[in-house]
Amino acid sequence: GQQLNQSPQSMFIQEGEDVSMNCTSSSIFNTWLWYKQDPGEGPVLLIALYKAGELTSNGRLTAQFGITRKDSFLNISASIPSDVGIYFCAGQLRGNQFYFGTGTSLTVIP
Amino acid sequence: EPEVTQTPSHQVTQMGQEVILRCVPISNHLYFYWYRQILGQKVEFLVSFYNNEISEKSEIFDDQFSVERPDGSNFTLKIRSTKLEDSAMYFCASSENRRGQGQMSYNSPLHFGNGTRLTVT
Repeated sequence: GQQLNQSPQSMFIQEGEDVSMNCTSSSIFNTWLWYKQDPGEGPVLLIALYKAGELTSNGRLTAQFGITRKDSFLNISASIPSDVGIYFCAGQLRGNQFYFGTGTSLTVIP
Repeated sequence: EPEVTQTPSHQVTQMGQEVILRCVPISNHLYFYWYRQILGQKVEFLVSFYNNEISEKSEIFDDQFSVERPDGSNFTLKIRSTKLEDSAMYFCASSENRRGQGQMSYNSPLHFGNGTRLTVT
């Protein structure tokens, strides 16, 4: 399957700090999605991106679809304790299948 | 807000037994998926289903697995003769439709259920 590499693998930050994470692949994707997963629950959609260069916000979250279509970035501003979780990127090629990244684990220290 | 529901939330079975995992996708969605997540690892695609047939499947989805939409609301994943390595969280997902054309077409985002934790002993 396709390999989507997320970095960093884990982050430990102070409450109030901004967070940046990214997802890269050697393949070109038509769609990039960002999900958050809390322990024992399913991934919850945060942001969907459909066009190269697109920059989309959802509250304190901002994500960008890379110009090359091979990468995407997620930023969280002014982090709060409930931002804790694992963040996954997912990309779609031409078919119906979405490929998930390796995940970034975020810990916010109050 | 409509959601994908999965039952049971936790299933324990003995090696070699068959299990059926059940999902009710969002009612107006047309594409259905099963993904699995081994503890601590990433979410892996198993199969997608559209118009009452499998549209794509991964190398994980071998003859041990099958999917069915037995009625207008349920979508099931059957695992025959379970193995220890089948222990994982199994997530059902659905998406609304497909947009765009040709190589630039894409599915609407996936909406996931809360998963079934399968433990094979």
